[in-house]
Amino acid sequence: DGGITQSPKYLFRKEGQNVTLSCEQNLNHDAMYWYRQDPGQGLRLIYYSQIVNDFQKGDIAEGYSVSREKKESFPLTVTSAQKNPTAFYLCASSMPGYYGYTFGSGTRLTVV
Amino acid sequence: GQQLNQSPQSMFIQEGEDVSMNCTSSSIFNTWLWYKQDPGEGPVLLIALYKAGELTSNGRLTAQFGITRKDSFLNISASIPSDVGIYFCAGRETGGSYIPTFGRGTSLIVHP
Repeated sequence: DGGITQSPKYLFRKEGQNVTLSCEQNLNHDAMYWYRQDPGQGLRLIYYSQIVNDFQKGDIAEGYSVSREKKESFPLTVTSAQKNPTAFYLCASSMPGYYGYTFGSGTRLTVV
Repeated sequence: GQQLNQSPQSMFIQEGEDVSMNCTSSSIFNTWLWYKQDPGEGPVLLIALYKAGELTSNGRLTAQFGITRKDSFLNISASIPSDVGIYFCAGRETGGSYIPTFGRGTSLIVHP
């Protein structure tokens, strides 16, 4: 079955450590996205990529980094520069020009 | 960036009741999307709307693209406990980025 997989589901890290969240899709989608979700805040765009080896900052990119070396994969690194990293992170993918995303099941990151 | 006003923020209803929620924008949109997010999961696309006045159903769910092109509505008839979750509207502004803007969500709780 085609889909988008995020791992791990739950992640705990100490303050000051970088952490990488995995996102893999086998839908052959060109575009991939990372969103952050906080209670009552909706979905806020962190980074997005339309093609391999290219990506753009979203609305809240500070303290985050991404790479897009393969079409199937779009990992997100939460760096120590992110002031408030505890949140629910969602990865999504879509075909170009199609606005209906397929979302992963999310990673809940807790920094202590 | 573009803001979407989604209301109500939360709803507490009895099983069997009908539900209505809406989303408004300050500019004209050419696409409206409605998603449902189950607790701890990623959002799933329910309905996509592409023309002003369009009315589309998906089971007990009905969504409409407002004739002003600045709003959209989602109705759920005869609610059941599994309707619990957060409902997000999203839209694409005419002449704007292909990245949709998301509302902050309506949290729905259904009491048996």
